[in-house]
Amino acid sequence: SAVISQKPSRDICQRGTSLTIQCQVDSQVTMMFWYRQQPGQSLTLIATANQGSEATYESGFVIDKFPISRPNLTFSTLTVSNMSPEDSSIYLCSVGGTGPYNEQFFGPGTRLTVL
Amino acid sequence: AQTVTQSQPEMSVQEAETVTLSCTYDTSESDYYLFWYKQPPSRQMILVIRQEAYKQQNATENRFSVNFQKAAKSFSLKISDSQLGDAAMYFCAYSSGSRLTFGEGTQLTVNP
Repeated sequence: SAVISQKPSRDICQRGTSLTIQCQVDSQVTMMFWYRQQPGQSLTLIATANQGSEATYESGFVIDKFPISRPNLTFSTLTVSNMSPEDSSIYLCSVGGTGPYNEQFFGPGTRLTVL
Repeated sequence: AQTVTQSQPEMSVQEAETVTLSCTYDTSESDYYLFWYKQPPSRQMILVIRQEAYKQQNATENRFSVNFQKAAKSFSLKISDSQLGDAAMYFCAYSSGSRLTFGEGTQLTVNP
C-alpha cells in the first residue's frame, strides 16, 4: 500500500482565517479523496480530487468553502476557508478506489481546532 | 443511497477472549466490497479486512474474520484472542465504485 503523509498534523486557528492541508503520496495514484471526521463522528467524504480536472464535491460541501488542488499524481491540497468553530474536525486524505478491491488507504489525518 | 449501520456504539472484551462487532448495510447493487477499518487513538485509519460480495467464503486475516451474510446484508467482524492493541474505534465501510460509505463506528475496549 502507498505511504501517505499529511501536513500539518494539527493546528489551532482563529475564526475567519483559512488553512491549507497538504497530502503527499509516495507513488502516483489516480484518485485522491478528502474526508472530514467531526468529533466523535464517522468519516464523511468531502470531495474526490482527480488530477487534471475539477474536484467532485459531495452534497453539503462547496468549492468556495473547501477548495481543492491536485497539481500532479502524488499531491493534493485541501483548504478550509473562512473557518468557524464548526469546522473543528480531523481532515483525512486517502488514495485508492481503483484497485481490485476498491480499497482506500488513509493518511494520518490533520486535527484542526478553530477558536 | 447506500447506508451502513453499526448498532453497537461501544463494546468491551477481556484480553484473550473473542468479540463480534455487528454491521448491516443497505444497497441495491449486486457487486460491491465491504471493509472493516480500525482507528486507534493515533487517528490513523487502518484497513483490517475486506470482503468481495461475489465471494461466498468469509474473509480471514489472522485473528480477524468476518461473517458475511449477503441475503441479510450483514457483515460482522470477529476478533479472536483479543489483545490490548486491538482497542480502537472500528468502522464498517461499503464500496461500490470508488466511493466509501462508513458506518458510525464501534468503540472497542479491551480489558486486561
